[in-house]
Amino acid sequence: GEEVAQTPKHLVRGEGQKAKLYCAPIKGHSYVFWYQQVLKNEFKFLISFQNENVFDETGMPKERFSAKCLPNSPCSLEIQATKLEDSAVYFCASSQYYSGNTIYFGEGSWLTVV
Amino acid sequence: AQSVAQPEDQVNVAEGNPLTVKCTYSVSGNPYLFWYVQYPNRGLQFLLKYITGDNLVKGSYGFEAEFNKSQTSFHLKKPSALVSDSALYFCAVSLRTGNEKLTFGTGTRLTIIP
Repeated sequence: GEEVAQTPKHLVRGEGQKAKLYCAPIKGHSYVFWYQQVLKNEFKFLISFQNENVFDETGMPKERFSAKCLPNSPCSLEIQATKLEDSAVYFCASSQYYSGNTIYFGEGSWLTVV
Repeated sequence: AQSVAQPEDQVNVAEGNPLTVKCTYSVSGNPYLFWYVQYPNRGLQFLLKYITGDNLVKGSYGFEAEFNKSQTSFHLKKPSALVSDSALYFCAVSLRTGNEKLTFGTGTRLTIIP
């Protein structure tokens, strides 16, 4: 597709429940990124993939967060045992690999943990 | 580690007047620099980027930005503001080491007053 597609747009989970978000990158893009936007608009990098391989996971809270990008499937970000502080908008983005790439963002998935 | 500063949380400009949204950065080496815009409940839209060459970069919707290496700045400008320019603007930086993640500033809310 011509845009990064994220589902669901909104998700409400009770504390302790699992949340799973999906992302279809732009066709032909090799890199996928996940960002978390919290209060005060701060963007926090979580993880990036080069095709199905983890490229950079320095931002991932490894205890409860996991992510995958499998061939011929949407990428996913999963949060086990959600906490109130996980409430945020989660953005997926994708880019081609070239020097000075532009990273294109999806519309985001709004997770509310109650 | 790289960082981006947007010193103004809020900028108000009268319609038709020129606008400037400020951004300074701190990074080792020469960075790639980006501006994105976020409308309410939407994802980030790419506006423009500086890779190399001419310090004045022109982008979407009549916006431009000037790269100033000595001042480590990349201010966003537009000669004549429109009410529809009202949105949240983010400056971002990435390293020239490949498909590096973006590091964002905290955003500046631009309000154009009719």
